[in-house]
Amino acid sequence: GAVVSQHPSWVICKSGTSVKIECRSLDFQATTMFWYRQFPKQSLMLMATSNEGSKATYEQGVEKDKFLINHASLTLSTLTVTSAHPEDSSFYICSARSGTGNTEAFFGQGTRLTVV
Amino acid sequence: AQSVTQPDIHITVSEGASLELRCNYSYGATPYLFWYVQSPGQGLQLLLKYFSGDTLVQGIKGFEAEFKRSQSSFNLRKPSVHWSDAAEYFCAVGSYNQGGKLIFGQGTELSVKP
Repeated sequence: GAVVSQHPSWVICKSGTSVKIECRSLDFQATTMFWYRQFPKQSLMLMATSNEGSKATYEQGVEKDKFLINHASLTLSTLTVTSAHPEDSSFYICSARSGTGNTEAFFGQGTRLTVV
Repeated sequence: AQSVTQPDIHITVSEGASLELRCNYSYGATPYLFWYVQSPGQGLQLLLKYFSGDTLVQGIKGFEAEFKRSQSSFNLRKPSVHWSDAAEYFCAVGSYNQGGKLIFGQGTELSVKP
Protein backbone atom coordinates (compact mmCIF):
# COMPACT_ATOMS: atom_id res chain seq x y z
CA GLY A 1 0.00 0.00 0.00
CA ALA A 2 0.87 3.65 -0.17
CA VAL A 3 3.09 5.17 2.48
CA VAL A 4 2.31 8.21 4.58
CA SER A 5 5.00 9.51 6.87
CA GLN A 6 4.58 11.84 9.82
CA HIS A 7 7.33 13.82 11.44
CA PRO A 8 8.16 14.02 14.24
CA SER A 9 6.96 10.82 15.87
CA TRP A 10 6.95 12.53 19.22
CA VAL A 11 7.62 16.02 20.46
CA ILE A 12 7.73 17.76 23.81
CA CYS A 13 7.31 21.50 23.90
CA LYS A 14 6.89 24.23 26.46
CA SER A 15 3.55 25.81 27.07
CA GLY A 16 3.05 28.87 24.88
CA THR A 17 5.26 27.72 22.04
CA SER A 18 4.16 26.48 18.61
CA VAL A 19 4.77 23.06 17.16
CA LYS A 20 4.65 21.97 13.54
CA ILE A 21 3.81 18.44 12.49
CA GLU A 22 4.44 17.26 8.94
CA CYS A 23 2.50 14.69 6.98
CA ARG A 24 4.00 13.44 3.74
CA SER A 25 2.73 11.05 1.13
CA LEU A 26 5.88 9.30 -0.04
CA ASP A 27 4.79 7.47 -3.16
CA PHE A 28 1.58 9.06 -4.32
CA GLN A 29 0.04 12.46 -4.77
CA ALA A 30 -2.36 13.27 -1.99
CA THR A 31 -5.14 15.49 -3.21
CA THR A 32 -6.78 15.31 0.19
CA MET A 33 -5.30 14.99 3.65
CA PHE A 34 -7.06 14.57 6.94
CA TRP A 35 -5.94 15.41 10.43
CA TYR A 36 -7.23 13.47 13.42
CA ARG A 37 -6.70 13.79 17.12
CA GLN A 38 -6.75 10.92 19.56
CA PHE A 39 -6.84 11.23 23.32
CA PRO A 40 -5.53 8.33 25.42
CA LYS A 41 -7.80 5.32 25.32
CA GLN A 42 -10.20 7.13 23.03
CA SER A 43 -11.16 7.12 19.41
CA LEU A 44 -9.93 9.29 16.59
CA MET A 45 -11.72 12.55 16.05
CA LEU A 46 -11.46 14.31 12.73
CA MET A 47 -10.10 17.81 13.11
CA ALA A 48 -9.95 19.04 9.56
CA THR A 49 -9.81 18.14 5.90
CA SER A 50 -7.35 19.82 3.58
CA ASN A 51 -7.23 19.82 -0.17
CA GLU A 52 -4.07 20.80 -1.96
CA GLY A 53 -4.02 24.49 -2.68
CA SER A 54 -7.18 25.24 -0.73
CA LYS A 55 -8.00 26.33 2.78
CA ALA A 56 -8.67 23.54 5.20
CA THR A 57 -12.20 22.69 6.26
CA TYR A 58 -12.41 22.39 10.02
CA GLU A 59 -14.83 20.26 11.96
CA GLN A 60 -17.18 21.88 14.38
CA GLY A 61 -15.51 22.82 17.61
CA VAL A 62 -11.96 22.84 16.24
CA GLU A 63 -10.23 26.21 16.53
CA LYS A 64 -8.78 27.01 13.15
CA ASP A 65 -6.59 29.79 14.55
CA LYS A 66 -5.05 27.37 17.00
CA PHE A 67 -4.59 24.45 14.66
CA LEU A 68 -3.17 25.87 11.45
CA ILE A 69 -3.23 23.51 8.52
CA ASN A 70 -1.34 24.04 5.31
CA HIS A 71 -1.48 21.78 2.28
CA ALA A 72 0.88 23.55 -0.06
CA SER A 73 1.82 20.61 -2.25
CA LEU A 74 0.43 17.26 -3.32
CA THR A 75 2.79 15.44 -0.99
CA LEU A 76 2.91 17.59 2.11
CA SER A 77 0.47 18.90 4.68
CA THR A 78 1.43 20.51 7.95
CA LEU A 79 -0.41 20.99 11.20
CA THR A 80 0.85 23.76 13.45
CA VAL A 81 -0.37 23.86 17.02
CA THR A 82 -0.02 27.49 18.01
CA SER A 83 0.50 28.68 21.56
CA ALA A 84 0.32 25.14 22.80
CA HIS A 85 -1.07 24.35 26.23
CA PRO A 86 -1.04 21.13 28.25
CA GLU A 87 -4.60 20.35 27.15
CA ASP A 88 -3.33 20.17 23.57
CA SER A 89 -1.24 17.16 24.51
CA SER A 90 -2.53 14.34 22.38
CA PHE A 91 -1.79 11.90 19.59
CA TYR A 92 -2.20 13.52 16.19
CA ILE A 93 -2.63 11.31 13.12
CA CYS A 94 -2.85 12.31 9.51
CA SER A 95 -4.19 10.40 6.56
CA ALA A 96 -3.92 11.04 2.86
CA ARG A 97 -5.76 9.94 -0.22
CA SER A 98 -5.47 10.50 -3.91
CA GLY A 99 -8.45 10.92 -6.16
CA THR A 100 -12.03 10.55 -5.12
CA GLY A 101 -14.69 7.89 -4.89
CA ASN A 102 -13.54 4.37 -4.08
CA THR A 103 -10.13 5.30 -2.83
CA GLU A 104 -9.05 4.74 0.72
CA ALA A 105 -6.98 7.07 2.83
CA PHE A 106 -3.64 5.88 4.17
CA PHE A 107 -2.60 6.76 7.69
CA GLY A 108 0.63 8.07 9.05
CA GLN A 109 2.18 6.61 12.16
CA GLY A 110 1.05 9.47 14.33
CA THR A 111 2.75 12.17 16.40
CA ARG A 112 2.67 12.20 20.17
CA LEU A 113 2.60 15.81 21.40
CA THR A 114 3.30 16.56 25.03
CA VAL A 115 3.05 20.14 26.21
CA VAL A 116 4.73 20.86 29.53
CA ALA B 1 -26.69 11.76 13.07
CA GLN B 2 -23.79 9.80 11.67
CA SER B 3 -22.17 7.49 14.18
CA VAL B 4 -20.30 4.27 14.66
CA THR B 5 -20.80 2.12 17.72
CA GLN B 6 -18.51 -0.59 18.95
CA PRO B 7 -20.44 -2.02 21.89
CA ASP B 8 -17.51 -3.83 23.45
CA ILE B 9 -14.84 -1.64 24.99
CA HIS B 10 -12.65 -4.56 26.01
CA ILE B 11 -12.67 -8.21 25.01
CA THR B 12 -10.46 -11.02 26.25
CA VAL B 13 -10.15 -14.26 24.33
CA SER B 14 -7.92 -17.27 24.66
CA GLU B 15 -5.28 -17.87 22.07
CA GLY B 16 -6.68 -20.14 19.38
CA ALA B 17 -10.26 -19.20 20.11
CA SER B 18 -12.50 -17.48 17.60
CA LEU B 19 -13.15 -13.76 17.71
CA GLU B 20 -15.96 -11.47 16.71
CA LEU B 21 -15.82 -7.70 17.20
CA ARG B 22 -19.06 -5.88 16.72
CA CYS B 23 -19.63 -2.68 14.81
CA ASN B 24 -22.89 -0.89 14.13
CA TYR B 25 -23.26 2.29 12.19
CA SER B 26 -25.77 5.01 11.53
CA TYR B 27 -25.12 6.73 8.24
CA GLY B 28 -27.32 8.56 5.78
CA ALA B 29 -25.45 7.78 2.60
CA THR B 30 -24.18 4.53 1.15
CA PRO B 31 -21.40 3.66 3.54
CA TYR B 32 -17.84 2.65 2.98
CA LEU B 33 -16.73 0.56 5.94
CA PHE B 34 -13.30 -0.10 7.36
CA TRP B 35 -11.61 -1.96 10.15
CA TYR B 36 -8.28 -0.73 11.46
CA VAL B 37 -5.91 -2.07 14.08
CA GLN B 38 -3.71 0.07 16.29
CA SER B 39 -0.87 -1.06 18.52
CA PRO B 40 0.04 1.17 21.48
CA GLY B 41 1.61 4.44 20.37
CA GLN B 42 1.33 3.52 16.74
CA GLY B 43 -0.69 4.64 13.75
CA LEU B 44 -3.48 2.71 12.13
CA GLN B 45 -3.16 -0.34 9.95
CA LEU B 46 -6.00 -1.19 7.60
CA LEU B 47 -7.31 -4.71 8.09
CA LEU B 48 -10.02 -4.65 5.48
CA LYS B 49 -12.54 -2.45 3.75
CA TYR B 50 -15.93 -2.65 2.11
CA PHE B 51 -16.95 -0.36 -0.71
CA SER B 52 -19.40 -2.49 -2.67
CA GLY B 53 -19.96 -5.98 -4.05
CA ASP B 54 -19.51 -9.14 -2.03
CA THR B 55 -20.65 -8.44 1.51
CA LEU B 56 -18.12 -10.85 3.01
CA VAL B 57 -14.75 -9.17 2.89
CA GLN B 58 -11.42 -10.83 3.45
CA GLY B 59 -8.59 -8.89 4.97
CA ILE B 60 -5.05 -9.28 6.15
CA LYS B 61 -3.87 -11.45 9.04
CA GLY B 62 -6.77 -13.87 8.59
CA PHE B 63 -9.51 -11.36 9.41
CA GLU B 64 -12.82 -11.12 7.64
CA ALA B 65 -15.89 -8.94 8.05
CA GLU B 66 -19.45 -9.15 6.84
CA PHE B 67 -21.54 -6.17 5.82
CA LYS B 68 -25.18 -6.57 6.77
CA ARG B 69 -27.14 -3.64 5.50
CA SER B 70 -30.39 -4.72 7.19
CA GLN B 71 -28.65 -4.71 10.56
CA SER B 72 -26.36 -1.74 9.85
CA SER B 73 -23.50 -3.89 11.00
CA PHE B 74 -19.97 -4.69 9.89
CA ASN B 75 -18.64 -7.22 12.38
CA LEU B 76 -15.03 -8.36 12.29
CA ARG B 77 -14.19 -12.03 12.73
CA LYS B 78 -11.18 -14.27 12.99
CA PRO B 79 -11.44 -18.04 13.41
CA SER B 80 -8.32 -18.47 15.54
CA VAL B 81 -6.74 -15.64 17.47
CA HIS B 82 -2.98 -15.31 17.92
CA TRP B 83 -1.26 -13.57 20.82
CA SER B 84 0.04 -10.97 18.36
CA ASP B 85 -3.54 -9.91 17.61
CA ALA B 86 -3.75 -8.13 20.96
CA ALA B 87 -4.33 -4.47 20.08
CA GLU B 88 -7.00 -1.80 19.71
CA TYR B 89 -9.47 -2.28 16.87
CA PHE B 90 -11.41 0.53 15.27
CA CYS B 91 -14.37 0.36 12.96
CA ALA B 92 -14.86 3.36 10.70
CA VAL B 93 -17.41 4.55 8.19
CA GLY B 94 -17.17 7.01 5.34
CA SER B 95 -18.75 7.65 2.01
CA TYR B 96 -18.07 9.05 -1.42
CA ASN B 97 -20.28 12.01 -0.59
CA GLN B 98 -18.17 12.87 2.46
CA GLY B 99 -15.00 13.22 0.45
CA GLY B 100 -13.26 10.38 2.19
CA LYS B 101 -13.33 11.56 5.79
CA LEU B 102 -14.01 8.84 8.31
CA ILE B 103 -16.07 8.55 11.45
CA PHE B 104 -14.53 6.15 13.92
CA GLY B 105 -16.05 3.98 16.57
CA GLN B 106 -14.70 4.23 20.09
CA GLY B 107 -12.56 1.17 19.65
CA THR B 108 -12.39 -2.31 21.15
CA GLU B 109 -9.33 -3.36 23.07
CA LEU B 110 -8.50 -7.00 22.49
CA SER B 111 -6.52 -8.97 25.03
CA VAL B 112 -5.34 -12.49 24.28
CA LYS B 113 -4.64 -14.89 27.10
CA PRO B 114 -2.37 -17.91 26.72
